[in-house]
Amino acid sequence: DTGVSQDPRHKITKRGQNVTFRCDPISEHNRLYWYRQTLGQGPEFLTYFQNEAQLEKSRLLSDRFSAERPKGSFSTLEIQRTEQGDSAMYLCASSLVVGQPVSSYEQYFGPGTRLTVT
Amino acid sequence: KQEVTQIPAALSVPEGENLVLNCSFTDSAIYNLQWFRQDPGKGLTSLLLIQSSQREQTSGRLNASLDKSSGRSTLYIAASQPGDSATYLCASCYGQNFVFGPGTRLSVLP
Repeated sequence: DTGVSQDPRHKITKRGQNVTFRCDPISEHNRLYWYRQTLGQGPEFLTYFQNEAQLEKSRLLSDRFSAERPKGSFSTLEIQRTEQGDSAMYLCASSLVVGQPVSSYEQYFGPGTRLTVT
Repeated sequence: KQEVTQIPAALSVPEGENLVLNCSFTDSAIYNLQWFRQDPGKGLTSLLLIQSSQREQTSGRLNASLDKSSGRSTLYIAASQPGDSATYLCASCYGQNFVFGPGTRLSVLP
């Protein structure tokens, strides 16, 4: 078990550029989540996948944000036309959800990708 | 609206003290509540998860309780150590949606 990994760990980009982040979950985990965290705040839920299906995306911050998990393994989060307000830590988490009740599962977080938009 | 608050926002204690961190949630229809630790610039480390049917969970020096009716959870840390210094966050799970509190920043002074 190597844990959840994220790449890159840091990204500096100029306003208007597109960026893509990658998340590799714990290998047997079927759920994958993306969060955004700004300084002094708790993580803000963005979206999640069950295997390759994106089951919740209404909380993505705008249509500039999109996420994929094409084969039910790693996931990517893309931000198009970045703005300075997008500067934040982007966190990925995974969990294993088997059967019912779902109240028993835990989320395991990666180290995050810190985005700075200049 | 589902919201989670944490009190206090920051706490500083001398080493060896026992302490309690508080978490309140507005929607009591939670699936579970999870406590995390976050070190500066790092991701979150899971500490304890309490299912909606449980009242408390313990791990080492940590004990977390859950009172759904009052919308509260507490994290008790016994015999605090400088290595416990971090931000502690609670998160309520509503099935597909997770709501985090802003965290309590803990400093344990040697």
